[in-house]
Amino acid sequence: SQTIHQWPATLVQPVGSPLSLECTVEGTSNPNLYWYRQAAGRGLQLLFYSVGIGQISSEVPQNLSASRPQDRQFILSSKKLLLSDSGFYLCAWSRQGVGTEAFFGQGTRLTVV
Amino acid sequence: GIQVEQSPPDLILQEGANSTLRCNFSDSVNNLQWFHQNPWGQLINLFYIPSGTKQNGRLSATTVATERYSLLYISSSQTTDSGVYFCAATPYTGANSKLTFGKGITLSVRP
Repeated sequence: SQTIHQWPATLVQPVGSPLSLECTVEGTSNPNLYWYRQAAGRGLQLLFYSVGIGQISSEVPQNLSASRPQDRQFILSSKKLLLSDSGFYLCAWSRQGVGTEAFFGQGTRLTVV
Repeated sequence: GIQVEQSPPDLILQEGANSTLRCNFSDSVNNLQWFHQNPWGQLINLFYIPSGTKQNGRLSATTVATERYSLLYISSSQTTDSGVYFCAATPYTGANSKLTFGKGITLSVRP
């Protein structure tokens, strides 16, 4: 079966510090990968998605970037965090194809202080 | 882009009661999913239901694609059903499974 791992679970970082969140998927190959953010409140917003190694599409302009160095690894980064980057970050995967079911990781709660 | 609207925004039930949560979407979809967000924030997949009806225990869901809405039914609610329920959709012309989420429905089940 497929599993998705995301770490760390919680993170407190000072303004201006760098960020690296990692997500890995097991049990499947060539998945679509996604980063979502849930700001205070409820809504989830798609930040980045990837259909293959080195292929990243950004959905919203922001202070963050994403990379996919390996088939099942997706990394969310920032060179200098802003207070507004605080939130709950979720990684997700789905099989290749149109409209396939998406599955989410446990999430990382980031607080920028 | 596609709009996803959920109603009601908040719902309070007594344990044992039944409820219906609604999701309206503005375009044809090739993916419609219902999630339950637990107290730790994790999104639990409930249903993958771009059309038709599915049941899983006390929960069932129906999507009427031609009328652009989906319903999640919870029967004999339990306190463990509390949390936020999200509907999310990918438009028919969209690529992959880029989901647009509704704002969620906060359900509180009281003992």
